[in-house]
Amino acid sequence: DAGVIQSPRHEVTEMGQEVTLRCKPISGHDYLFWYRQTMMRGLELLIYFNNNVPIDDSGMPEDRFSAKMPNASFSTLKIQPSEPRDSAVYFCASSVSGELFFGEGSRLTVL
Amino acid sequence: DAKTTQPPSMDCAEGRAANLPCNHSTISGNEYVYWYRQIHSQGPQYIIHGLKNNETNEMASLIITEDRKSSTLILPHATLRDTAVYYCIVRVYNNDMRFGAGTRLTVKP
Repeated sequence: DAGVIQSPRHEVTEMGQEVTLRCKPISGHDYLFWYRQTMMRGLELLIYFNNNVPIDDSGMPEDRFSAKMPNASFSTLKIQPSEPRDSAVYFCASSVSGELFFGEGSRLTVL
Repeated sequence: DAKTTQPPSMDCAEGRAANLPCNHSTISGNEYVYWYRQIHSQGPQYIIHGLKNNETNEMASLIITEDRKSSTLILPHATLRDTAVYYCIVRVYNNDMRFGAGTRLTVKP
């Protein structure tokens, strides 16, 4: 299996632009998690899904952030409009038996 | 409120055992203890987890005290590649997974 696949690996954008991060979980996994990591705040859980349904989105910073999982093999995290303080590494993880498998992350820089 | 308490940093000599402690005094009966590590800027990597009994796998051993209020992750023969941030997490099985600050382990030659 290829593992959790995230794209893009790096993105540089300007303040106010829309950003879409993508995640393909491991086939057969029924849980999907989105995290954000910064030096100041560490690794924060943003939202997680079970069977494509959002279970807990209490970590989503504000209305500018939204996440969807239209099917079992794809999820997106969208930021609109983006701000410099959104600069971070965004990780996606999937699981089926309690153990989370993480992707390599998407490094976002908002200028 | 943080559910776990870990020392911010530790050093270990290469080839020696690394013993990483974690306090989780408010753990509930249905919460597991999980350990992950993050090497440099990679995604966190699962190490081991347990409920009550001690566990061992090819990477490490997990020792949980009888009252379950603390645990220790043991890397039996640490190598330079074990230098990483180690996270101790308590969670209900298949529930949310929230990371704290972890312990930065530095393995020295």
